[in-house]
Amino acid sequence: QLVQSGAEVKKPGASVRVSCRASGNTFTNHYITWVRQAPGHGPEWMGRISADNGDTKYAQKFQGRITMTTDTSKRASYMDVRSLISDDTAIYFCTTGLYSFDTWGQGTLVTVSS
Amino acid sequence: QSALTQPASVSGSPGQSITISCTGTISDVGGYSSVSWYQQHPAKAPKVMIYDVAIRPSGVSYRFSGSKSGNTASLTISDLQTDDEADYYCTSYTKNDTVVFGGGTKLTVL
Repeated sequence: QLVQSGAEVKKPGASVRVSCRASGNTFTNHYITWVRQAPGHGPEWMGRISADNGDTKYAQKFQGRITMTTDTSKRASYMDVRSLISDDTAIYFCTTGLYSFDTWGQGTLVTVSS
Repeated sequence: QSALTQPASVSGSPGQSITISCTGTISDVGGYSSVSWYQQHPAKAPKVMIYDVAIRPSGVSYRFSGSKSGNTASLTISDLQTDDEADYYCTSYTKNDTVVFGGGTKLTVL
């Protein structure tokens, strides 16, 4: 099971950190992938991080604006998104997997509004 | 990376079968066997229904099946039930070591 942090409201230009904590065996030997879904739109792959060695791969669209990290002692993964704009308003999901995603967090709504 | 192409909507009656297509390129769908399908009900997280083109996870109904031909993958749902009404998304691994989603298909069970 993956449990994410609560909803956030941010102003344009601000940053946000979304956390994702795992229970059971849903962390080690896994990739954590982050997906976002804007209102009325389909999901969008943002990137992934290896829970074992911290290796990351980001979608080109988000390069330089997001950072994914893990803390194995807390069985947690984090994603920081910087320089927020209104188009970043979305539900952000963490999920496990590299090519297919089987366990999902409940989602974190991030609203960017002045 | 452009989104994979899916029909915006499909519909069927209970008991019927429907197929949703997912078209990409040789750089994604056509080049890899890493196509997955997800079902998403309103205000819920997506749920994987098919992975690696045609493998059904434990607990997913046998009524869901997947296939691929060339650059197009397909999801077939047989014996439609009212609870199948949802949005469906395909994904594929890509040559850039990323994953791309389809635009989504809204399934209406009449």
